[in-house]
Amino acid sequence: QKEVEQNSGPLSVPEGAIASLNCTYSDRGSQSFFWYRQYSGKSPELIMSIYSNGDKEDGRFTAQLNKASQYVSLLIRDSQPSDSATYLCAVKAGGSYIPTFGRGTSLIVHP
Amino acid sequence: KAGVTQTPRYLIKTRGQQVTLSCSPISGHRSVSWYQQTPGQGLQFLFEYFSETQRNKGNFPGRFSGRQFSNSRSEMNVSTLELGDSALYLCASRLDGGANQPQHFGDGTRLSIL
Repeated sequence: QKEVEQNSGPLSVPEGAIASLNCTYSDRGSQSFFWYRQYSGKSPELIMSIYSNGDKEDGRFTAQLNKASQYVSLLIRDSQPSDSATYLCAVKAGGSYIPTFGRGTSLIVHP
Repeated sequence: KAGVTQTPRYLIKTRGQQVTLSCSPISGHRSVSWYQQTPGQGLQFLFEYFSETQRNKGNFPGRFSGRQFSNSRSEMNVSTLELGDSALYLCASRLDGGANQPQHFGDGTRLSIL
């Protein structure tokens, strides 16, 4: 069974710091990796997609993928209180149409 | 470009009733997936439709069913509602079901069972 693991948190960081969110997955055949942000009471919103090893940057967000070690990370630079949310990692294997979601990590950015 | 639209946003039902939820995907998107989200279980996959065919199904009882129309709009039905069905039901669409594009979620329907 494909598994995606995330630390539930909460991860608490001060405003302006770098928040590091991690996700590990069990299926070595995974090819697509997604990070979603979900505010309380709202639906998940896509932040980043990453498909190949290395880093992908988009504004204050950087996704890091290491297929050999089977983990994907999300770094948030200059964290703001508005970044406080639950971050969901989703992983899709090559032969699957549906991504598997982790349970999410709660991030709290305090002023 | 309009996002994924789900109706209704909120719904209150009693045990034993049935309910139908609707989802209109992003224009041009052909894959529609449904998820149930509860605080205790996280995001649970219900089923996926592509070109009016159910292509994948999660581990939910037969009380949960769905369909997709020729315009890619989808409906989900839950019969004989139970208290445990109280949840946020999310619909997600994707451009091409076979490729690696990400899913985009609607705002969800919050279903409460009394």
